Amino acid sequence: DAGVTQSPTHLIKTRGQQVTLRCSPISGHKSVSWYQQVLGQGPQFIFQYYEKEERGRGNFPDRFSARQFPNYSSELNVNALLLGDSALYLCASSLSGMPPYEQYFGPGTRLTVT
Amino acid sequence: AQSVSQHNHHVILSEAASLELGCNYSYGGTVNLFWYVQYPGQHLQLLLKYFSGDPLVKGIKGFEAEFIKSKFSFNLRKPSVQWSDTAEYFCAVKGTSGTYKYIFGTGTRLKVLA
Repeated sequence: DAGVTQSPTHLIKTRGQQVTLRCSPISGHKSVSWYQQVLGQGPQFIFQYYEKEERGRGNFPDRFSARQFPNYSSELNVNALLLGDSALYLCASSLSGMPPYEQYFGPGTRLTVT
Repeated sequence: AQSVSQHNHHVILSEAASLELGCNYSYGGTVNLFWYVQYPGQHLQLLLKYFSGDPLVKGIKGFEAEFIKSKFSFNLRKPSVQWSDTAEYFCAVKGTSGTYKYIFGTGTRLKVLA
């Protein structure tokens, strides 16, 4: 079975631009979470979606938004990019929004903002 | 504030040495606990997890971890490391109610010398 897939793999954007990152969960998984991993730190929670509904939001500005589609894939959008948004963006999927909340991570999208 | 502390940022061991990586968390409630591993060039993979029951949990590749509730700790151990264990290890905690986010530690980079 395919794992969590993310696209694109790498992305270079300029300050002020907007970016959209995509994630396809493991087949049968209905929950998707997004994390930001800055170099030298652990992943930081951005959003969780389950059945197209936002279930949780981390401490990120409103420039960050996300959505989940009927096929459970998800997009993360970041507007008005800042240099500090440069990071690895990870998507994780889990079977449901109910315990156990075991998450499976994708390879990530490396975003560089110049 | 909810947090996870990993005390060792970099660890260097020789093959066959024993490993113990520390993880302490701060969380006001019952928790699920996880150790993830990230091998060079690969994505985060679940190493082991604790949800309830026996506080000594066994994971893949000979790893184990012990949940000590009184110490808010979930240390990772392996009796004899191999060169292939070279990786970054992340401890994560998730509350069991009212939250969907995982809180990750900053990670420990393990290098095993052949």
